[in-house]
Amino acid sequence: AQKITQTQPGMFVQEKEAVTLDCTYDTSDPSYGLFWYKQPSSGEMIFLIYQGSYDQQNATEGRYSLNFQKARKSANLVISASQLGDSAMYFCAMREATGGGADGLTFGKGTHLIIQP
Amino acid sequence: DAGITQSPRHKVTETGTPVTLRCHQTENHRYMYWYRQDPGHGLRLIHYSYGVKDTDKGEVSDGYSVSRSKTEDFLLTLESATSSQTSVYFCAISGDRGSSYNEQFFGPGTRLTVL
Repeated sequence: AQKITQTQPGMFVQEKEAVTLDCTYDTSDPSYGLFWYKQPSSGEMIFLIYQGSYDQQNATEGRYSLNFQKARKSANLVISASQLGDSAMYFCAMREATGGGADGLTFGKGTHLIIQP
Repeated sequence: DAGITQSPRHKVTETGTPVTLRCHQTENHRYMYWYRQDPGHGLRLIHYSYGVKDTDKGEVSDGYSVSRSKTEDFLLTLESATSSQTSVYFCAISGDRGSSYNEQFFGPGTRLTVL
């Protein structure tokens, strides 16, 4: 079974609208972290936001917020007031703590977001 | 921006030749990682390191080896490159506590083509 599922291969959104990118995860580890990355067409991986499994509040970073619903194992990324520069691939990823913290991330396959003027 | 560089940035090689990719960090972070990115697969972990001379295998480690002789350098070696190893390779780093642990930063990537 996939550990990270991103069900939207592609999305078209009008500029200035809010965007929600879906991510569900699967783990039996009580301690884990969830990450979102942006990959523009230039190819670099840009860290956006992090949510720990024990965090009581949803993480926010500027226009990015993470809608964390633990019981549903859902970690959706919300981008408020989208901009043309938000067009990119977006990846959800998870780190499980079973390896003592050194383990790498497990990534979803990504969502290609296109912001239209 | 986190201080991570990768070299080379682009490489074309032939099947059967050895290839070494280098990741260098200036953040003094404990953990370092190598991933590969292929269409339809997202990023997948190859190997990781949790300290000097301490490394372990990831999801797709077959055909790859790594070494870390200094905190700042993490080398990925393809002993005998195959066409299936054509990919974009990313190095990443993270610290071992606090905010540096909750942020995993990536290098610019190396595009490797094996003919």
